[in-house]
Amino acid sequence: AQSVAQPEDQVNVAEGNPLTVKCTYSVSGNPYLFWYVQYPNRGLQFLLKYITGDNLVKGSYGFEAEFNKSQTSFHLKKPSALVSDSALYFCAVRDDSNYQLIWGAGTKLIIKP
Amino acid sequence: DSGVTQTPKHLITATGQRVTLRCSPRSGDLSVYWYQQSLDQGLQFLIQYYNGEERAKGNILERFSAQQFPDLHSELNLSSLELGDSALYFCASSRAGNTEAFFGQGTRLTVV
Repeated sequence: AQSVAQPEDQVNVAEGNPLTVKCTYSVSGNPYLFWYVQYPNRGLQFLLKYITGDNLVKGSYGFEAEFNKSQTSFHLKKPSALVSDSALYFCAVRDDSNYQLIWGAGTKLIIKP
Repeated sequence: DSGVTQTPKHLITATGQRVTLRCSPRSGDLSVYWYQQSLDQGLQFLIQYYNGEERAKGNILERFSAQQFPDLHSELNLSSLELGDSALYFCASSRAGNTEAFFGQGTRLTVV
């Protein structure tokens, strides 16, 4: 069965430091992977996706994600965190059988000044 | 602005009542998804429509139903409401089943 895991409920990073939000997945075919961000009392916003091609995917707001097939991971990264990056981040993988997105539980990212 | 419009933004209603949530997808998007987000349960997929037809069902209660109209807007009907139905309800749309989805701002439902 397809699944996605975000092993950390919360990640704390000091402003200006690099950040990583982890995501691992399990799919039977080729993975289609997504990252979304949710600010308080707002809908989810699409950040980036991996379909095929380069393992390093660049997205919105300076975020990027690294696809690692051998480790079945798709970690979200940013070289220098901003306080405004504080939000809830969701990883998702597409289920090939019905094209549904399977969502991780979300990781709360807190950036401290 | 994602281009997905949800109304109303907030809704307060009593237990046992019925409400309708409305979603207008982005122009050109054929797929509409409904999600429920509770404080302690993350994002729960409810149902998906594609070009007017039900495409997939998730954890949707029998008290809940949805439809997508010929103009592609969608409505989610919640009936016999219980306190536990209080949550944020999101609508999302996408061009097709294999592209990224764009979310509306959500409807915050409070059942009292």
